Amino acid sequence: GQQVMQIPQYQHVQEGEDFTTYCNSSTTLSNIQWYKQRPGGHPVFLIQLVKSGEVKKQKRLTFQFGEAKKNSSLHITATQTTDVGTYFCADSSNTGKLIFGQGTTLQVKP
Amino acid sequence: DTAVSQTPKYLVTQMGNDKSIKCEQNLGHDTMYWYKQDSKKFLKIMFSYNNKELIINETVPNRFSPKSPDKAHLNLHINSLELGDSAVYFCASSQDQGHGNTIYFGEGSWLTVV
Repeated sequence: GQQVMQIPQYQHVQEGEDFTTYCNSSTTLSNIQWYKQRPGGHPVFLIQLVKSGEVKKQKRLTFQFGEAKKNSSLHITATQTTDVGTYFCADSSNTGKLIFGQGTTLQVKP
Repeated sequence: DTAVSQTPKYLVTQMGNDKSIKCEQNLGHDTMYWYKQDSKKFLKIMFSYNNKELIINETVPNRFSPKSPDKAHLNLHINSLELGDSAVYFCASSQDQGHGNTIYFGEGSWLTVV
């Protein structure tokens, strides 16, 4: 079945360092969504990428969709302690079912 | 007002018991979901309903029975609870079942089976 692989599983950074999580699929992604889940919280929608090669920014967060629509990345510049949480990519299949990656849990040391 | 609300937030119960989790959304969405998140944070869809009709059933044991009395409610009943059922269960909703819709999650129900 359709799978979305996300790496790394965990990342510890010093506050102020950059962070990147990568999402890969063996099949072409319809579109890619990114969610953030704070510790003890629930996943919250961040953004959706639709077009091949698309790049979107939200303040210090940069989201990219690969040219072949088989990968995506989320890059955070100069991490802050408020960035702590688990970041999920998710592919929306033709049935509308979201297939989530395994998530990358980010820890930020102050 | 919470958009997607589920109760209870925490549930500790013994093996073999039957329990229910209730979910309601006030967003006017047509589609509702149950997701299970395990201890490794993996989020897996269990069920999806569109306008009270079941559209996705991800080979979940039949001890799990969802019920949608109307499109704003999707409850989850679990019979004969097992240790492996311990997880966080998230209710969620989206505008409709088309792909590309944003999914809005409830705050989760932490189920611990002892």
